[in-house]
Amino acid sequence: SQQGEEDPQALSIQEGENATMNCSYKTSINNLQWYRQNSGRGLVHLILIRSNEREKHSGRLRVTLDTSKKSSSLLITASRAADTASYFCATDLGYGKLTFGQGTILTVHP
Amino acid sequence: DTAVSQTPKYLVTQMGNDKSIKCEQNLGHDTMYWYKQDSKKFLKIMFSYNNKELIINETVPNRFSPKSPDKAHLNLHINSLELGDSAVYFCASSQDSSGGARNEQFFGPGTRLTVL
Repeated sequence: SQQGEEDPQALSIQEGENATMNCSYKTSINNLQWYRQNSGRGLVHLILIRSNEREKHSGRLRVTLDTSKKSSSLLITASRAADTASYFCATDLGYGKLTFGQGTILTVHP
Repeated sequence: DTAVSQTPKYLVTQMGNDKSIKCEQNLGHDTMYWYKQDSKKFLKIMFSYNNKELIINETVPNRFSPKSPDKAHLNLHINSLELGDSAVYFCASSQDSSGGARNEQFFGPGTRLTVL
């Protein structure tokens, strides 16, 4: 069964706005990772947050993790048209085994 | 320089055929993976190898057989292809599988397999 569930499934915003995507999971994790996938391409790693961390930043990205609620969020600030992509959360259960959610399709309109 | 490369990029074949997809990484990583992404974009791990040894083997039909001749290569051979095998197959690698940042995975561009 699927470990991660992303919400919303699709998000459409204007350039300059912030985009927030949420991820919920079911079991204990070692870490949680966020990936981006542009149409027809492979996945690109964005950020990793360990199970003992609550918040992490990387450029315009901010990730939070709430292990008590088994949830994470990805915030992209000041979005750009180039941020248009699918975003996936992935839970690391150990041994490098990543379990992905179904993704959020983000469309940023110029 | 391409970090994780896969060949071919597209593969169109008839039901019942046998085909292989090749993957190579030049990152010096110890662990490599195969994932399947279906038409709904759901990505599921199939196999992983650490230093040529199988460490993850998900519930995958035994028509799928991974082979790792060395730690830089992980190929996927599929026998007796079925319509349901149509998907995009991604290869990935990570430094190792010990945890944390060393599990950050680098993905190849994918191989789109279409079974007719």
